[in-house]
Amino acid sequence: QKEVEQDPGPLSVPEGAIVSLNCTYSNSAFQYFMWYRQYSRKGPELLMYTYSSGNKEDGRFTAQVDKSSKYISLFIRDSQPSDSATYLCAMSGGDTGFQKLVFGTGTRLLVSP
Amino acid sequence: DVKVTQSSRYLVKRTGEKVFLECVQDMDHENMFWYRQDPGLGLRLIYFSYDVKMKEKGDIPEGYSVSREKKERFSLILESASTNQTSMYLCASSLNNSPLHFGNGTRLTVT
Repeated sequence: QKEVEQDPGPLSVPEGAIVSLNCTYSNSAFQYFMWYRQYSRKGPELLMYTYSSGNKEDGRFTAQVDKSSKYISLFIRDSQPSDSATYLCAMSGGDTGFQKLVFGTGTRLLVSP
Repeated sequence: DVKVTQSSRYLVKRTGEKVFLECVQDMDHENMFWYRQDPGLGLRLIYFSYDVKMKEKGDIPEGYSVSREKKERFSLILESASTNQTSMYLCASSLNNSPLHFGNGTRLTVT
């Protein structure tokens, strides 16, 4: 079993929909949680990161961490065709900080006009 | 904005060749990383460096080495390229206790 599980998709939604992207993990030591967006033929771009549990909002994006369920989510409101990309979750333990990230395999999102 | 620049976008090499992948960052970051990205496997850490001339093995260091002679530059070396090293290679950098910033990757094909 992988340390971080992420549905590969593709997830297809119409423009304007609310999108929910999720990752589950098995290592209870994880404290840092990140979401990266990766467009085709580009490197991953940091969207959001949170430390420990709770919610964090940035414009149309909300990141949520539920450590009791070992489950993290990224919500995208009013999705746009420009949001079409692969979304990677990443996480690491408090003792290693950001040096030893464990990544999910990514969920491909397609937003149609 | 952080800029992490990888010298080649696409590279084709032959089996047995010595291959150098170069990465430069312009934000005076202490930490630099090399990952490879493969379908279904995600990103896997090859090596990272937390200071000039310092390096640590990641999860899959076999067949690779690295060099960091200057703070802004981190090189990945494939000593003798093999077909199973065909992959997308991603360089990243970060300040201590801060998230990673990635370059746009080098797609390496070994034939």
